Amino acid sequence: DAKTTQPNSMESNEEEPVHLPCNHSTISGTDYIHWYRQLPSQGPEYVIHGLTSNVNNRMASLAIAEDRKSSTLILHRATLRDAAVYYCILRDVISGGSNYKLTFGKGTLLTVNP
Amino acid sequence: DAGVTQSPTHLIKTRGQHVTLRCSPISGHKSVSWYQQVLGQGPQFIFQYYEKEERGRGNFPDRFSARQFPNYSSELNVNALLLGDSALYLCASSPGSWEGEQYFGPGTRLTVT
Repeated sequence: DAKTTQPNSMESNEEEPVHLPCNHSTISGTDYIHWYRQLPSQGPEYVIHGLTSNVNNRMASLAIAEDRKSSTLILHRATLRDAAVYYCILRDVISGGSNYKLTFGKGTLLTVNP
Repeated sequence: DAGVTQSPTHLIKTRGQHVTLRCSPISGHKSVSWYQQVLGQGPQFIFQYYEKEERGRGNFPDRFSARQFPNYSSELNVNALLLGDSALYLCASSPGSWEGEQYFGPGTRLTVT
């Protein structure tokens, strides 16, 4: 299974940007980088994914290093509702090249201070 | 639109018993995956079903089984429950077997005593 490394925890202040790093030095050329987050007592929620180029959506931005060995999830203005565990995941192919699974690590616990 | 639904929300079972957990995917989604999340850990992949066929299985014993029905809903069955099976069981659906996003339900909290 493809592996990612994230800090155990990070802290941010409300309305400030947050940069959540992720290392994935063993990434292969076809691995998509996914980010999910899990709020307390809820199932994981999709945030964003990308392959090579930086990606933006309404929730966040994903900045991918040129060598693809690391990426950064950017929350432009953190709110208290963004407090969650953030998972950086490399999508794993499980059979036949057309099916995949998500291999979660422990993620980064983001605390947002008012 | 309704999201992924799971039932029951909470469940308490005794060691050695059997349990069935249910999942209804988002309308139009044909793929369902099951994950186990032990307290303090990230979710671990158990199964993926697509068009009623098993497409992948994680590193779980044969006591764990699942199936997908013609309406794409799914059941996860666990036999001979152990204390270590206590966890949050999550179901996720996606339109196909390869799309980028999986949509998770709220999970079923299983406690084995």
